[in-house]
Amino acid sequence: QKEVEQNSGPLSVPEGAIASLNCTYSDRGSQSFFWYRQYSGKSPELIMSIYSNGDKEDGRFTAQLNKASQYVSLLIRDSQPSDSATYLCAVRSFSGSARQLTFGSGTQLTVLP
Amino acid sequence: DVKVTQSSRYLVKRTGEKVFLECVQDMDHENMFWYRQDPGLGLRLIYFSYDVKMKEKGDIPEGYSVSREKKERFSLILESASTNQTSMYLCASRDGTYGYTFGSGTRLTVV
Repeated sequence: QKEVEQNSGPLSVPEGAIASLNCTYSDRGSQSFFWYRQYSGKSPELIMSIYSNGDKEDGRFTAQLNKASQYVSLLIRDSQPSDSATYLCAVRSFSGSARQLTFGSGTQLTVLP
Repeated sequence: DVKVTQSSRYLVKRTGEKVFLECVQDMDHENMFWYRQDPGLGLRLIYFSYDVKMKEKGDIPEGYSVSREKKERFSLILESASTNQTSMYLCASRDGTYGYTFGSGTRLTVV
């Protein structure tokens, strides 16, 4: 059973702080990693993807991948109240069906004004 | 931008009814997916399809079936709706390299 684990939260940070969201996965064959943001009552939207070890930056967002330790993280710098949402980690493996993603249950983030 | 359109935003059906949820994507993606999302359980894969008329079961296919007669359309069918199928249903599509694009979701209530 491929598993993706996230702390459910809620995680609260003050406006302007760095929010750190973590995700671990069980399948060492995993190759592609994604972070989705989901506002309450809305569908998930893709915000970051990462495929190789190290950091990938996009604006205020940085995704970090460590395949040896089987974790992926998302850092949000200068957090804004509009970042308040649930963040879903998703992993794609190349064993079994390579066509689907496995999602974590999400971390709820609240940015306090 | 890829657009994934789900036909209904909110739906209320009676126990035992046959329910059709429709999903259409406009970017010629081969892969399409149906998930349900419930509080505390996250996103669970029901069925997916990687080509016309092709389908594979996901993690929770019981009580559901799917149809993909055209590449752009992927339908989820609840053969006989039950109250435990009350949920948010999300359709997604994907090309070969990127993550999913989700539709806006259908919140189904079975009474």
